[in-house]
Amino acid sequence: DTGVSQDPRHKITKRGQNVTFRCDPISEHNRLYWYRQTLGQGPEFLTYFQNEAQLEKSRLLSDRFSAERPKGSFSTLEIQRTEQGDSAMYLCASSSPSHPGRLRIFGPGTRLTVL
Amino acid sequence: AQKVTQAQTEISVVEKEDVTLDCVYETRDTTYYLFWYKQPPSGELVFLIRRNSFDEQNEISGRYSWNFQKSTSSFNFTITASQVVDSAVYFCALSEAEAAAGNKLTFGGGTRVLVKP
Repeated sequence: DTGVSQDPRHKITKRGQNVTFRCDPISEHNRLYWYRQTLGQGPEFLTYFQNEAQLEKSRLLSDRFSAERPKGSFSTLEIQRTEQGDSAMYLCASSSPSHPGRLRIFGPGTRLTVL
Repeated sequence: AQKVTQAQTEISVVEKEDVTLDCVYETRDTTYYLFWYKQPPSGELVFLIRRNSFDEQNEISGRYSWNFQKSTSSFNFTITASQVVDSAVYFCALSEAEAAAGNKLTFGGGTRVLVKP
């Protein structure tokens, strides 16, 4: 399977706990993006990496959120001290410089529920 | 700032009917890309089509067709002879030019299509 994979697919946690999600992009894609999608809304941009460098962060990404892509391959998104408002689908996507418009290929998402 | 508006939140049709999804966008860029994605109940976003701002030719792919009109900043999507498997949420999205920093993909709010047998 050469698609984007995300782990876990579902996460239920209690308020105040820390959670970490992983994304494995398509191997030849140098850009990796994180999006958040709440119920009934379109995905919203959180941050993106070009190789290992984090080049942009949305104002949606509060101090409790941190993302890394240490070797320019997989990425992790950590949420500290989770709040009920963090409940959402977290989508990862990757893109290649050879694709016009930087076509994003999305993973299946990680659905987070904060109780 | 970029903005994408999908005014229809939900459309319900009977199988074999045609359905058209509207998408209106705003951008100050002269070069940009427009996309449609499908999100079935499983949740994964599936790419359907990409169109750059210099290509206003309409496109047909099987039962899907797209109408890009730069003059009205619209990129509408039609499903002909709808099928139950077309039931999903459809998102229109806009991406700024290749050379621009960020290159964010801005999504509309989505249109839920329900095709009844």
